[in-house]
Amino acid sequence: TQLLEQSPQFLSIQEGENLTVYCNSSSVFSSLQWYRQEPGEGPVLLVTVVTGGEVKKLKRLTFQFGDARKDSSLHITAAQPGDTGLYLCAGAPVNFGNEKLTFGTGTRLTIIP
Amino acid sequence: DAGITQSPRHKVTETGTPVTLRCHQTENHRYMYWYRQDPGHGLRLIHYSYGVKDTDKGEVSDGYSVSRSKTEDFLLTLESATSSQTSVYFCAISPVAGEITDTQYFGPGTRLTVL
Repeated sequence: TQLLEQSPQFLSIQEGENLTVYCNSSSVFSSLQWYRQEPGEGPVLLVTVVTGGEVKKLKRLTFQFGDARKDSSLHITAAQPGDTGLYLCAGAPVNFGNEKLTFGTGTRLTIIP
Repeated sequence: DAGITQSPRHKVTETGTPVTLRCHQTENHRYMYWYRQDPGHGLRLIHYSYGVKDTDKGEVSDGYSVSRSKTEDFLLTLESATSSQTSVYFCAISPVAGEITDTQYFGPGTRLTVL
């Protein structure tokens, strides 16, 4: 079983600060996705990265896939209360599509107004 | 939003009783999935379906069975519920899964408590 470890597990910061959360594995993935989940709801896809070293930006969120496709990071600039939620990374194993995603343990982010 | 509903949304049951959770989609997507979410474990795949009557096991399939007799419905059955199956269950759908950029769309979840 491929494992994805996310750090930190919990993060609470003031509005306007920057932050980075990490998703690490010893396994190689063909792609990696980031989801955000709000209380009482299912996860919602934010981005998919597929190429080693790839960087994608979504407004104030910057996602990077590691060169070796074993890790990823999510950086948020000038965090806002609306960024509060559970952030999950999910990797697709090599030789599979997304039918057998491995999810990370999650980072619970709280932005304090 | 993708048209996915789950029923029931909440259920409390006793150890040893059978339980069936239903996932219904209106998107005509080929793939459907059942996950469970527990603190410290993230989401773990239980079973998935790649077409009517076509299913495969996920990471944590023991104690669970599934059926898909129609494109729009995917049922998850706990034949004899145990306390370790207390969890939040999510259904997800995707149009295909062969493309690594495919998106999975998640339902609202079912909170199951086994006493």
